Amino acid sequence: EVQLVESGGGLVQPGGSLRLSCVASGFTFSTYSMNWVRQAPGKGLEWVSYINGGSGSIYYADSVKGRFTISRDNAKNSLYLQMNSLRDEDTAVYYCARLGQWPNKFDYWGQGSLVTVSS
Amino acid sequence: QTVVTQEPSFSVSPGGTVTLTCGLSSGSVSTSYYPSWYQQTPGQAPRTLIYSTNTRSSGVPDRFSGSILGNKAALTITGAQADDESDYYCVLFMGTDSWVFGGGTKLTVL
Repeated sequence: EVQLVESGGGLVQPGGSLRLSCVASGFTFSTYSMNWVRQAPGKGLEWVSYINGGSGSIYYADSVKGRFTISRDNAKNSLYLQMNSLRDEDTAVYYCARLGQWPNKFDYWGQGSLVTVSS
Repeated sequence: QTVVTQEPSFSVSPGGTVTLTCGLSSGSVSTSYYPSWYQQTPGQAPRTLIYSTNTRSSGVPDRFSGSILGNKAALTITGAQADDESDYYCVLFMGTDSWVFGGGTKLTVL
């Protein structure tokens, strides 16, 4: 069974940093591209970042470019999102999502990790 | 900046048919955008319904179907059931290095 479990969320002050993790199981992690997608409270989904299996292709939404860094450790079946210079508008539930088929099948999602940016 | 548009809300009667759409603020949606659709209930992670315009994800009932209607992508639910009451999101692949979600449609079944 495919499982994605996020962790690392919490309360952080504006300008602060946080690192999210997503541990994958039930599939060969290294052969799948992964994404982070977020959802602000009461709002819609927003794609944040993409990384392919070998970390050779990495993309970001304009809203986080230069502040967030996606990475992965295939030996640990783990995906990460380093978030720096956090802003109030980064407050959201962050989901990791597997890209099951290029370019558009986000086929498995974690349950999300809440990040709250507030003073 | 590209904006993907969806109806904010829609209502359907039990057993009825409803078509939700996914458009672009500028231009037309085609299969080249690989539209996909996701269902989300409050407090839950999204669930994949349709990808590559019209391919149903595993386990999705055939009363959900995807298509291109005019200049938009469309999700049609035939024979709506009470547990179809959810938020529905489309997402478009922008061709190189990004994806854009629509704002979502809140579907009420009553």
